[in-house]
Amino acid sequence: NAGVTQTPKFQVLKTGQSMTLQCAQDMNHNSMYWYRQDPGMGLRLIYYSASEGTTDKGEVPNGYNVSRLNKREFSLRLESAAPSQTSVYFCASLRDTSANIQYFGAGTRLSVL
Amino acid sequence: QKEVEQDPGPLSVPEGAIVSLNCTYSNSAFQYFMWYRQYSRKGPELLMYTYSSGNKEDGRFTAQVDKSSKYISLFIRDSQPSDSATYLCAKGAFNAGNNRKLIWGLGTSLAVNP
Repeated sequence: NAGVTQTPKFQVLKTGQSMTLQCAQDMNHNSMYWYRQDPGMGLRLIYYSASEGTTDKGEVPNGYNVSRLNKREFSLRLESAAPSQTSVYFCASLRDTSANIQYFGAGTRLSVL
Repeated sequence: QKEVEQDPGPLSVPEGAIVSLNCTYSNSAFQYFMWYRQYSRKGPELLMYTYSSGNKEDGRFTAQVDKSSKYISLFIRDSQPSDSATYLCAKGAFNAGNNRKLIWGLGTSLAVNP
């Protein structure tokens, strides 16, 4: 009964380094999302995937790439990390009913020095 | 103007108080509204959701939607220190590709003091 699992929980990068944030859900949901959460800015959508094999940009996609590896997994990649990408990153999946109910992982705290 | 507006607080109340958390929205399309609770260093978790207008009650929590004033409210009765968290309101919507999304308020930080 894991729900949405994110790894790693914490990461410190140097400017210019790359990394991939992993997300997996076991609820058989079609849609998955990546958000970042910053003080005073709320949750902002980076990318989403409406179904396996499709991805689309959200509000703040610059500097990120995503891969929907299969129905369960949706990864977020920072190719060349910048201090402005210091944030808490959340992955979510959408329950496939008429209400847009999203379920979240515990988050990844990323610091870019 | 953001499509969902929420006062970030912080809000501090004594234990046992009735808490009122509020959001306003500007677009009347897709009338699903949600309240999420987020504890410190955790992910948001769904607290309640409502469709269109009216009230929905779950224990000490009541969610209310007033369509005429475009107001979303969450009331917490007999508040407890364990209710201390950030409360985020959200509204259902569709994006340009007709895929579902949520539009989020900034969240209100609540502290319930023993």
